[in-house]
Amino acid sequence: QLVLTQSPSASASLGASVRLTCTLSNEHSGYAIAWHQQQPEKGPRFLMKVNNDGSHTKGDGIPDRFSGSSSGTERYLTISSLQSEDEADYYCHTWGSGIRVFGGGTRLTVL
Amino acid sequence: QVQLQQSGLGLVKPSQTLSLTCAISGDSVSSYTTTWNWVRQSPSRGLEWLGRTYYRSKWYYDFAVSVKSRITINPDTSKNQFSLQLSSVTPEDTAVYYCTRGDVFDYWGQGTLVTVSS
Repeated sequence: QLVLTQSPSASASLGASVRLTCTLSNEHSGYAIAWHQQQPEKGPRFLMKVNNDGSHTKGDGIPDRFSGSSSGTERYLTISSLQSEDEADYYCHTWGSGIRVFGGGTRLTVL
Repeated sequence: QVQLQQSGLGLVKPSQTLSLTCAISGDSVSSYTTTWNWVRQSPSRGLEWLGRTYYRSKWYYDFAVSVKSRITINPDTSKNQFSLQLSSVTPEDTAVYYCTRGDVFDYWGQGTLVTVSS
């Protein structure tokens, strides 16, 4: 079964860096995922696609502070030089034959 | 620049049919290179993909198992839009509904809060 797991919460200080993790089910280690940001009271916004080889393709207007990487079943989103507007929920999702699955999301607090 | 503009009623009575439309600008509903999806979000279920349509010489559809018996997605090439219909709704269908593009969901509609209540 295709499953994505995310930690419910994370925190980091203003100006610091943080790495969020999205973990695929073991048998799906070759899958790409997409990261989305949802700021308070807004809809989701596509950040990037992360492939199993760690390469990533960002959406329109996504700052260089956002980057993606990969290791095994884990897909990462790294945000550097944290700003107050980065405080948001971050979701990953993936896709297979005829199905699309979301992770439960990580709420990032910027201290 | 792709834009997705949603429209539709925000209040539906139990047992009735929810109907939403997503108008596309900057792309085509009958594009050979992408797909068109509906997603919803609620506090109890999180983000949930509902289904998609796409054109590859003919129209194709995929639906989530959870709504497969109740969902219809219709493309409208004359208006360059696609719609969602969800029948026999219950309060558990109360959610914010979004239309999105592609496998990666690189563009999202603005969202429509649909409340199922008598």
